[in-house]
Amino acid sequence: DTGVSQNPRHKITKRGQNVTFRCDPISEHNRLYWYRQTLGQGPEFLTYFQNEAQLEKSRLLSDRFSAERPKGSFSTLEIQRTEQGDSAMYLCASSSYRDRINYGYTFGSGTRLTVV
Amino acid sequence: GEDVEQSLFLSVREGDSSVINCTYTDSSSTYLYWYKQEPGAGLQLLTYIFSNMDMKQDQRLTVLLNKKDKHLSLRIADTQTGDSAIYFCAAEDMRFGAGTRLTVKP
Repeated sequence: DTGVSQNPRHKITKRGQNVTFRCDPISEHNRLYWYRQTLGQGPEFLTYFQNEAQLEKSRLLSDRFSAERPKGSFSTLEIQRTEQGDSAMYLCASSSYRDRINYGYTFGSGTRLTVV
Repeated sequence: GEDVEQSLFLSVREGDSSVINCTYTDSSSTYLYWYKQEPGAGLQLLTYIFSNMDMKQDQRLTVLLNKKDKHLSLRIADTQTGDSAIYFCAAEDMRFGAGTRLTVKP
């Protein structure tokens, strides 16, 4: 297993376009998290899944953002009608959650989005 | 307020010890974590501590936990220029603050 994999590494898009990012977690991990990070800030929580169920979504998350994890394995994060303020690094992390403990929490290298 | 609070900047000389402090709010956490982020990279797990421990040592890293005050610290002994990075603490709710930018001067 090569860890958490995110694709693409970089994405440049024009304002108003839709973009989709993919995250492949560590295979035995049941939890998957999405974060957004801008320069000088820590990762801002967006949403997380346990298996295929989306258990929490940040109140700050615009309706233009949607995430899926249809088979409980990989996940996609889509941003519709992108705005310049969406430019950021989008980070994915996965973990094995059992008996109320989060094991092996691991981040991917992120997808850097630039909206022009 | 923030789930996690840390000082934003720390500057030390190579060879000195660095101490990075953190206060958190998630009192139900079983584990608490320290992550390191280098420029342009994702977060790398450095170390973690089980909540019923006061201290954990891992080579140059020492983690101290004061559960009553919800205070966590990371001490890096013999700090090297390669330790320059942003350091984040996190409880199990996996919410992060702005992190502490450690600069190591030669």
